[in-house]
Amino acid sequence: GNSVTQMEGPVTLSEEAFLTINCTYTATGYPSLFWYVQYPGEGLQLLLKATKADDKGSNKGFEATYRKETTSFHLEKGSVQVSDSAVYFCALRITQGGSEKLVFGKGTKLTVNP
Amino acid sequence: DSGVTQTPKHLITATGQRVTLRCSPRSGDLSVYWYQQSLDQGLQFLIQYYNGEERAKGNILERFSAQQFPDLHSELNLSSLELGDSALYFCASSPYLTGRDTQYFGPGTRLTVL
Repeated sequence: GNSVTQMEGPVTLSEEAFLTINCTYTATGYPSLFWYVQYPGEGLQLLLKATKADDKGSNKGFEATYRKETTSFHLEKGSVQVSDSAVYFCALRITQGGSEKLVFGKGTKLTVNP
Repeated sequence: DSGVTQTPKHLITATGQRVTLRCSPRSGDLSVYWYQQSLDQGLQFLIQYYNGEERAKGNILERFSAQQFPDLHSELNLSSLELGDSALYFCASSPYLTGRDTQYFGPGTRLTVL
């Protein structure tokens, strides 16, 4: 079946530290991959996406590369800020039979301390 | 602000009751999706509508139903509520049926069943 596995955390870092949140997936075909972010008390916001193998998505200093050979889409940021504190969700998009849905990982809570 | 609106923001009700959650998609978006976020199940896809027609069902209980109206807003009806239905319910929208854009999420409705 289709599934996403991501490190559950919580992850606590100091400001300016390097961030990696691991995400691997299981899917048939070639799904599009996404990272969404949920700030406290808010809905989900798209952070970045990649639609095919070797694509690199990037936004706000965050990056993730679609690795088909390792079925991974790890999220990285070189220098985190306090404002990056949020829950991060890795997701894949399943498209079939004239419909689509997102399958999410369980989320990783990131806390960045000053 | 994604442009997707959801009402109410919070809902507190008792077991056995019925509630209706409302979603207005972004202007021009024809697809509406409903997701449930709970502590034990994480973020799960419930159902997709496209231009008034149901297109896909996920892990949606028989006690739950949804519809999309001619003006494209959608309602999720939850009946015979149980304690375990307490969750954050998200609506998302996109312009197309499948695969050509991301899903834009609303702020969610937090349902508490007492």
